[in-house]
Amino acid sequence: KQEVTQIPAALSVPEGENLVLNCSFTDSAIYNLQWFRQDPGKGLTSLLLIQSSQREQTSGRLNASLDKSSGRSTLYIAASQPGDSATYLCAVDDNFNKFYFGSGTKLNVKP
Amino acid sequence: EAQVTQNPRYLITVTGKKLTVTCSQNMNHEYMSWYRQDPGLGLRQIYYSMNVEVTDKGDVPEGYKVSRKEKRNFPLILESPSPNQTSLYFCASSSLVNEQFFGPGTRLTVL
Repeated sequence: KQEVTQIPAALSVPEGENLVLNCSFTDSAIYNLQWFRQDPGKGLTSLLLIQSSQREQTSGRLNASLDKSSGRSTLYIAASQPGDSATYLCAVDDNFNKFYFGSGTKLNVKP
Repeated sequence: EAQVTQNPRYLITVTGKKLTVTCSQNMNHEYMSWYRQDPGLGLRQIYYSMNVEVTDKGDVPEGYKVSRKEKRNFPLILESPSPNQTSLYFCASSSLVNEQFFGPGTRLTVL
């Protein structure tokens, strides 16, 4: 069974800092990997989707990379802002239409 | 506006009283899914549906039922709710490349 781990569980940084969130998964046979943002009490907002044949995706200040062979993905956030404060979740699609989520990294960007 | 809607958003009920949480999407997606989110356990998939009349179990299906009679709707049914089903529930639908879009969530409390 696929297991997804996110490290660190929580992160506090000053505004303007560049930061990296990590996601690892145990089975490299994935269809895609998706990064989400979740604000307190709210639903999940899709940030980036990386298909298994891709190495990275970019959207604005966000860049996500995927290394299937090592079972890792990183989400890079450039020039962090207080509005980036949220919980960031990664999820993998296991090729059999099941999705597995990490427990998330709770990010606090201090003004 | 493309969206996934869930109702109700909040529900307090008592043990054993049957309930249904509705989910609807307007993106013509074939794939739909239900998750529960619990502190420390993250998001876990309950059931998913590849298309009308096609449903399958996720990781935690016990105590839940689903049906998919129309493409846009995927209700979650708790025939006899128990306190351990108190949770935050999310419905999601997926595009052809399995990019998931989430509803706003339903917070269920079973007394």
